[in-house]
Amino acid sequence: AQSVSQHNHHVILSEAASLELGCNYSYGGTVNLFWYVQYPGQHLQLLLKYFSGDPLVKGIKGFEAEFIKSKFSFNLRKPSVQWSDTAEYFCAVIPIYNQGGKLIFGQGTELSVKP
Amino acid sequence: EAQVTQNPRYLITVTGKKLTVTCSQNMNHEYMSWYRQDPGLGLRQIYYSMNVEVTDKGDVPEGYKVSRKEKRNFPLILESPSPNQTSLYFCASSPVVAGVREQFFGPGTRLTVL
Repeated sequence: AQSVSQHNHHVILSEAASLELGCNYSYGGTVNLFWYVQYPGQHLQLLLKYFSGDPLVKGIKGFEAEFIKSKFSFNLRKPSVQWSDTAEYFCAVIPIYNQGGKLIFGQGTELSVKP
Repeated sequence: EAQVTQNPRYLITVTGKKLTVTCSQNMNHEYMSWYRQDPGLGLRQIYYSMNVEVTDKGDVPEGYKVSRKEKRNFPLILESPSPNQTSLYFCASSPVVAGVREQFFGPGTRLTVL
């Protein structure tokens, strides 16, 4: 079965530290890839997406992600986190040409940034 | 403003009492979907719809029904709710351009079944 794995369930950082959240998926075909963020008490918002082209994609709020096809990975990075980045982060994958656009989510990574 | 709306936002009900959570989008998106979010499990897809009158099961469809009679609306129906359906529910919509694109999420409905 197709799945998405996020390696870290809870990450705690101090402000200005660098961030990297891991995401791996299990699907051999072409995929669309996403990172979503959920701030406390809010709905999911799209951080960034990859459909094709340059595997290094830049999103909102200084986030970026790199698609490495050979590793089935789509890791999220930010050079310097802020307290306001405290949130839960979800990696998601749509295997394209699949039956109906089923968006498969990872379990989520909770990020806590200490001021 | 382009958005996905859900109602109600909060609901407490009792076992067996039928309920409907509404979802509406104003972006003319073909694709709509329902997810439930539970701690430690992330989001799991319940049902999705590629267009009007076209619906299909996601990963956890048991105990739920949906309908897609109009493009903008995609209600989630719990015929006989049970406590294990206590969860946070999100509706989402997406354009379909060479496949489903990024999904736009509603604000969520927190359901408690006693």
